[in-house]
Amino acid sequence: DTEVTQTPKHLVMGMTNKKSLKCEQHMGHRAMYWYKQKAKKPPELMFVYSYEKLSINESVPSRFSPECPNSSLLNLHLHALQPEDSALYLCASSQGGQGRYEQYFGPGTRLTVT
Amino acid sequence: AQSVAQPEDQVNVAEGNPLTVKCTYSVSGNPYLFWYVQYPNRGLQFLLKYITGDNLVKGSYGFEAEFNKSQTSFHLKKPSALVSDSALYFCAVRDMVIGLNTGFQKLVFGTGTRLLVSP
Repeated sequence: DTEVTQTPKHLVMGMTNKKSLKCEQHMGHRAMYWYKQKAKKPPELMFVYSYEKLSINESVPSRFSPECPNSSLLNLHLHALQPEDSALYLCASSQGGQGRYEQYFGPGTRLTVT
Repeated sequence: AQSVAQPEDQVNVAEGNPLTVKCTYSVSGNPYLFWYVQYPNRGLQFLLKYITGDNLVKGSYGFEAEFNKSQTSFHLKKPSALVSDSALYFCAVRDMVIGLNTGFQKLVFGTGTRLLVSP
């Protein structure tokens, strides 16, 4: 199974709402990632978890809060977002974080902030 | 910092013709290079990678890429294009960042090239 799943597929939220994005993989991968992608642009790395520990935070605003409950799950908690946060949010995983391993991406969550 | 450049925003090719999507890199040390494809409203799919070894790398869906150290290039190729190959293609390179706990490696993506294959 080489699948990364993400829920929900679409999410519309107001600027005062709290919501969460979920990601799951069952490939035994030990590194998991959150990316933000604007239309027709490359993905921008937000967070990296390695062995369930936060390893990289790319200076992401605190209104985004990641969580890794176990080695298969990754959450992204959203609170007080801005309209410019509307984007496709991609989750990915890889066997390790050493850079030689390819990343497997989920289909993404299309987020719209109103 | 490591980087990759994709000089073409869009490549147009007729079905059945060979295709090339260009990528050049700038790295210190040995490059780890990747190609990904993204279909509309989908996540990225891994096509192939170069870590070491043969300069010609074969990947998924009939794609291949040639690593050229002297030209610092890693162009993606396919001998015969299909309409279903129409998508957004990203070249990427490994980069090192200083993480919260230790050094960590991440992918740096190019700006992407849209491939349009006409029937």
